[in-house]
Amino acid sequence: GNSVTQMEGPVTLSEEAFLTINCTYTATGYPSLFWYVQYPGEGLQLLLKATKADDKGSNKGFEATYRKETTSFHLEKGSVQVSDSAVYFCALNLLTGANNLFFGTGTRLTVIP
Amino acid sequence: GAGVSQTPSNKVTEKGKYVELRCDPISGHTALYWYRQSLGQGPEFLIYFQGTGAADDSGLPNDRFFAVRPEGSVSTLKIQRTERGDSAVYLCASSLLGGGGSGEQFFGPGTRLTVL
Repeated sequence: GNSVTQMEGPVTLSEEAFLTINCTYTATGYPSLFWYVQYPGEGLQLLLKATKADDKGSNKGFEATYRKETTSFHLEKGSVQVSDSAVYFCALNLLTGANNLFFGTGTRLTVIP
Repeated sequence: GAGVSQTPSNKVTEKGKYVELRCDPISGHTALYWYRQSLGQGPEFLIYFQGTGAADDSGLPNDRFFAVRPEGSVSTLKIQRTERGDSAVYLCASSLLGGGGSGEQFFGPGTRLTVL
């Protein structure tokens, strides 16, 4: 079946530390891949996306590269800030049928000053 | 511009009661989705509308759950005979047809349902 597996949290980092949140997927076909972020008290927001193999999505200093050979889409940021504290969700869309998103369980990141 | 809105933001009800949750999608988005997010989990797909019709309701957990979108815009998720296990955050999302080619969806803030 189609699924997304995310690195379990919570993750606690000091400000300016390097961040990696691992995400791997299982899918039939060629999905689009997404990272959504949920800040405290807010709804899900798209952080970045990639629609085909070797594409790199980037936004707000975050990056993720669509790796078909390892079925991965790991999220990285070189220097995290306190304002990056949130829950991060990896997701895929098969772009067929209902076009619904399949989400991972989420990874809570806390950045301390 | 206006995003996806959902009302109410919080709903507390008693076991066995009926509830309705409303979603107002982004103007011009023909696709509308409902998801359910339980504590500590990612959102799980419930139902997909393309226009007025429910094109895929395979994620609805049982026949107590039903959703409508009579005019192709606002949607209402209806839960009959609520159970404590229905407690979750119910998310609505909308998108252009096919997610604009990428599958991207735009989410509302959610309705937190608590069944006592």
